[in-house]
Amino acid sequence: KQEVTQIPAALSVPEGENLVLNCSFTDSAIYNLQWFRQDPGKGLTSLLLIQSSQREQTSGRLNASLDKSSGRSTLYIAASQPGDSATYLCAASNQAGTALIFGKGTTLSVSS
Amino acid sequence: EAGVAQSPRYKIIEKRQSVAFWCNPISGHATLYWYQQILGQGPKLLIQFQNNGVVDDSQLPKDRFSAERLKGVDSTLKIQPAKLEDSAVYLCASSHKETQYFGPGTRLLVL
Repeated sequence: KQEVTQIPAALSVPEGENLVLNCSFTDSAIYNLQWFRQDPGKGLTSLLLIQSSQREQTSGRLNASLDKSSGRSTLYIAASQPGDSATYLCAASNQAGTALIFGKGTTLSVSS
Repeated sequence: EAGVAQSPRYKIIEKRQSVAFWCNPISGHATLYWYQQILGQGPKLLIQFQNNGVVDDSQLPKDRFSAERLKGVDSTLKIQPAKLEDSAVYLCASSHKETQYFGPGTRLLVL
């Protein structure tokens, strides 16, 4: 049974700092892995999706990597801004078209 | 392109009452999901539809929860009777291929 863990649960950084959020999963036979952002009282916004055959994906200041052999994914945020403050969730899918299995998230606070 | 719509946004009920949530997915998305997100947790799948058929409802508490997706478009999720532990955000998502698109959720408080 796939389990997803995110560490740390919370992170506070000053504006401009580069940071890394960690995600680990127990079953390396994943189909894809997604990173989401959730603002308070809002739904989830998809940030990056990495297929199992890929090693990383980039969008703007965000870079997500995937290492299936070690069961880990990281989300790198460059030059953090106060607007990046939110909860970041990673989620794994074991097969095409199946539901996502989520971690508990990392709540990020970027201070100006 | 319009996103996933959900209503109501907030609901407060007393335990043992019933409640229903509505979801309108993105046009053309065949797959629809209902997730439950308890405070401080990640979302957990309740039920997945492909068109109007159920793909996975293994984690749906069927003694109190029910869901339907008539005509393969809109979907409703019902809780009857509600318990205190049902207090959560109920998220609806739809997908066409790989990416799931989430609605804003319905925040339920059971007193």
